[in-house]
Amino acid sequence: GQQLNQSPQSMFIQEGEDVSMNCTSSSIFNTWLWYKQDPGEGPVLLIALYKAGELTSNGRLTAQFGITRKDSFLNISASIPSDVGIYFCAGPINSGGSNYKLTFGKGTLLTVNP
Amino acid sequence: DGGITQSPKYLFRKEGQNVTLSCEQNLNHDAMYWYRQDPGQGLRLIYYSQIVNDFQKGDIAEGYSVSREKKESFPLTVTSAQKNPTAFYLCASSIVGGLAALSSYNEQFFGPGTRLTVL
Repeated sequence: GQQLNQSPQSMFIQEGEDVSMNCTSSSIFNTWLWYKQDPGEGPVLLIALYKAGELTSNGRLTAQFGITRKDSFLNISASIPSDVGIYFCAGPINSGGSNYKLTFGKGTLLTVNP
Repeated sequence: DGGITQSPKYLFRKEGQNVTLSCEQNLNHDAMYWYRQDPGQGLRLIYYSQIVNDFQKGDIAEGYSVSREKKESFPLTVTSAQKNPTAFYLCASSIVGGLAALSSYNEQFFGPGTRLTVL
């Protein structure tokens, strides 16, 4: 099925370090979305990718749409304490006709030590 | 401000009681979704609706019910048939388009969530 495998499951880093996480699938995706969820809150969309090979930045965050369309990467540079949270990747799967719903990875829990 | 609101933030209920979680959006989005989140499980889709008066089951619909009488509102009822209802519930919305696989129509925007605890 169109499941997303996200890794690593968790990361413990020091403030100032760079972070890299990825999401892979056995199926092709035409869109990759990256969300961040702060503790006790709803996920917030960080970056959306629509084209294979696309590299998009949002401040210290950079995400890439893999050329094979089966993977995506999210990098955070010079981490700060407020980067703490769970990062999810997501992609659309067909729910019938022209209707799509999202499937989500299980998330990467990021802890930043000041 | 445009956005999605969920109420209440925290909800406590006794076992065996039905409970309804509210979700309202003023983004003029056609589609709305309900997810359940458990530790280490990611987001699992309960129900979704892409148009008023129509909705479909997601991956874990058993023990839940929804209605979509208005475009802005998509309440979720957790019934007594749901065997393990304690969880964090998230509502989301998105626009709907003909080329949904290839465009920003896939972007879902989430509410702040409701944490339900059944005692």
